Amino acid sequence: TAGITQAPTSQILAAGRSMTLRCTQDMRHNAMYWYRQDLGLGLRLIHYSNTAGTTGKGEVPDGYSVSRANTDDFPLTLASAVPSQTSVYFCASSGGREGTNEQFFGPGTRLTVL
Amino acid sequence: GQNIDQPTEMTATEGAIVQINCTYQTSGFNGLFWYQQHAGEAPTFLSYNVLDGLEEKGRFSSFLSRSKGYSYLLLKELQMKDSASYLCAALDSNYQLIWGAGTKLIIKP
Repeated sequence: TAGITQAPTSQILAAGRSMTLRCTQDMRHNAMYWYRQDLGLGLRLIHYSNTAGTTGKGEVPDGYSVSRANTDDFPLTLASAVPSQTSVYFCASSGGREGTNEQFFGPGTRLTVL
Repeated sequence: GQNIDQPTEMTATEGAIVQINCTYQTSGFNGLFWYQQHAGEAPTFLSYNVLDGLEEKGRFSSFLSRSKGYSYLLLKELQMKDSASYLCAALDSNYQLIWGAGTKLIIKP
């Protein structure tokens, strides 16, 4: 199985433009997450979804939106990108094994906003 | 507030043993994770502790003390491929992971 895939791998985006980062998992996990990772700050949760049809805000949600129309897909949209959104974005999922809450990560999207 | 503390960087010698410490303060606690992250790659799961004590998995072991809000990851027989960042994360009362900034481990021959 592929696990979690993310697209694109990397992107350079002009400030003010919109963009959607795609994330798909084939593990039938209920929960999915979007993180950003910046040097020295560790992983910060942007948005999450505990199950299809529901979403919630994480630690740094401003400027981002998500949707969860089905179990497999969890896209992240930047409506109007700003340079401070330059980061590496990781999608993750969990829920395959009861009691561990282990999160599985996609390969990441490296985004540069100029 | 919620906080995870771990050293920024550590250096060790190939073949040696290294212990990476982590202290946490969270709203509720449902377990402690360790992940490994090689440069330019995604984090991968190493261990999960929810009860006090030591969990051993090959060359890697993880320890938890809930009363002290403390965990460590022990790496034995270090290999060059162990050069990576090691992320400590605590699962809070809402079952959200609170992440430390990571410890960059440098292995020297």
